[in-house]
Amino acid sequence: NAGVTQTPKFRVLKTGQSMTLLCAQDMNHEYMYWYRQDPGMGLRLIHYSVGEGTTAKGEVPDGYNVSRLKKQNFLLGLESAAPSQTSVYFCASSYGWGSNQPQHFGDGTRLSIL
Amino acid sequence: GENVEQHPSTLSVQEGDSAVIKCTYSDSASNYFPWYKQELGKGPQLIIDIRSNVGEKKDQRIAVTLNKTAKHFSLHITETQPEDSAVYFCAARDSGGGADGLTFGKGTHLIIQP
Repeated sequence: NAGVTQTPKFRVLKTGQSMTLLCAQDMNHEYMYWYRQDPGMGLRLIHYSVGEGTTAKGEVPDGYNVSRLKKQNFLLGLESAAPSQTSVYFCASSYGWGSNQPQHFGDGTRLSIL
Repeated sequence: GENVEQHPSTLSVQEGDSAVIKCTYSDSASNYFPWYKQELGKGPQLIIDIRSNVGEKKDQRIAVTLNKTAKHFSLHITETQPEDSAVYFCAARDSGGGADGLTFGKGTHLIIQP
């Protein structure tokens, strides 16, 4: 049971390039989330999804797009990467919403924008 | 929205001593308070959580207390061991509205001195 798997683990981009981060979960969770983690800032929610075919904005959505075409996958896209998007990106999933559904995290994607 | 403050940012304790990390939250509607441990190069892992209908919860050497009136909650680790060295995050979540993610504190770097 792999849990939440993120690919790639590391990536370096040039300003203006685009890329997609992939998150896959094998726990049959309905809810999936993308966070970014910056030094001294904790984790901040970018986008989330409450089910296949649905997405919603979180706290810091600008510059990112997401898609949830399959229940087990949640993609995070950067259309035109900027140095301010240098960060560690974490995907998480949970069975449902509400206060009794803990979130399970992947090990992150470390992204550098030059 | 919710705002979570976490203190201290760094905590150094002698092996075998106890460690306490404190968090405050702003939204009185929040009713779920998880604690995550993050080791270097890994994603956050849930170590304990508490819901607003409970004042204290314990799991072996780890305990969490919640004071709803004062809107603060704390993580207590007793008999600390070298493997407890990590960054710890508190988080809060309310039960209303949509399924948006957790609001995290900025983290506490716990250092266990041998």
